[in-house]
Amino acid sequence: AQSVAQPEDQVNVAEGNPLTVKCTYSVSGNPYLFWYVQYPNRGLQFLLKYITGDNLVKGSYGFEAEFNKSQTSFHLKKPSALVSDSALYFCAVRDIARDDKIIFGKGTRLHILP
Amino acid sequence: ETGVTQSPTHLIKTRGQQVTLRCSSQSGHNTVSWYQQALGQGPQFIFQYYREEENGRGNFPPRFSGLQFPNYSSELNVNALELDDSALYLCASSFGTVLSGANVLTFGAGSRLTVL
Repeated sequence: AQSVAQPEDQVNVAEGNPLTVKCTYSVSGNPYLFWYVQYPNRGLQFLLKYITGDNLVKGSYGFEAEFNKSQTSFHLKKPSALVSDSALYFCAVRDIARDDKIIFGKGTRLHILP
Repeated sequence: ETGVTQSPTHLIKTRGQQVTLRCSSQSGHNTVSWYQQALGQGPQFIFQYYREEENGRGNFPPRFSGLQFPNYSSELNVNALELDDSALYLCASSFGTVLSGANVLTFGAGSRLTVL
């Protein structure tokens, strides 16, 4: 089955610094990858997706993600962090072995320090 | 356009009871997926409904069941509740076709279930 792994439970970044939230994937065939964000007591919100094409994908709120096929990674990035970016971030993959359902990683909590 | 709405937002049940959670999908969406999110964990896929039929299921026992109605709204039913069923239950809608499968999901805020 397809899966994603988020190796960091928590990432701390100072406001104004660049941020990276890591994700690696394991898929057979071409991966369909996603990033979602969850704020406290809220559902998940879609940030961006990679299906094909340019390896650098731009999304909502100034976030972008870099698809790297050789390293099987899909890291989320932002050039300058805001305190309001503090939230729980989930990487996800479309599982073609499970009727194309979206499967999520365990999440990474991002803390932006003022 | 209206988003995904879930009800109730919070509820408390005791072991052995049954619960029904409801979800109204976003306008224009025809597919509903249900996820269970335990505290500190990522969402776990329960099942998906497309055209009123179950279209894929995760590793959940049969006491988790669902329905999708002609207006694409959905229900999640859990029988014989166990303590480990305590979690945030998320409903997500999307527009899918037979060929395209799941696409970008629009989530509701969730129903937080506590089983005592």
